[in-house]
Amino acid sequence: AQSVTQLDSQVPVFEEAPVELRCNYSSSVSVYLFWYVQYPNQGLQLLLKYLSGSTLVESINGFEAEFNKSQTSFHLRKPSVHISDTAEYFCAVNTGNQFYFGTGTSLTVIP
Amino acid sequence: ETGVTQSPTHLIKTRGQQVTLRCSSQSGHNTVSWYQQALGQGPQFIFQYYREEENGRGNFPPRFSGLQFPNYSSELNVNALELDDSALYLCASSRDSSSGNTIYFGEGSWLTVV
Repeated sequence: AQSVTQLDSQVPVFEEAPVELRCNYSSSVSVYLFWYVQYPNQGLQLLLKYLSGSTLVESINGFEAEFNKSQTSFHLRKPSVHISDTAEYFCAVNTGNQFYFGTGTSLTVIP
Repeated sequence: ETGVTQSPTHLIKTRGQQVTLRCSSQSGHNTVSWYQQALGQGPQFIFQYYREEENGRGNFPPRFSGLQFPNYSSELNVNALELDDSALYLCASSRDSSSGNTIYFGEGSWLTVV
């Protein structure tokens, strides 16, 4: 089975500061990698995904993530966060028909 | 385009009872997966249905069962409820069962077992 580790359970950051949310996975086979965001009392929404090709992927709201095969990592970054980015962020690995999720990182943006 | 919808949004059941949760998949999607998200945890895969057949199952006991209907909507049934079954149950649909497809989540059904 796959496992996904999100090293930071809570990340507080000031508005307009940069942020990195870390994600590592364990896998000996090819995987697809995803980041989902969950706002309070809502379901999960896709933020971005890596399937193949360029190892740097971007979302429409300024987040980016880089696939690093040698380090089995898929860290999420944003150069300047906004209050509206406050949410729970989940890293996920997809192999076969199953998604394996990390335990989540709670990002709190401080005004 | 209609997204994934789930019902009910909240419910309370007593230990030992049975519960049925319902999900309508996004239009054009033929695959539905169910996940359990306990408080403070990430979602955990229960099972997937593809064209009305179970197509993979996570580490959940047989008292968790499901159905998928010809219109690709789905039900999750849980028998003999236990206190630890209290969680958010998420339904997700995808275009098909291939790897790499994005899964789109509903807002979930909050189940409390007392």
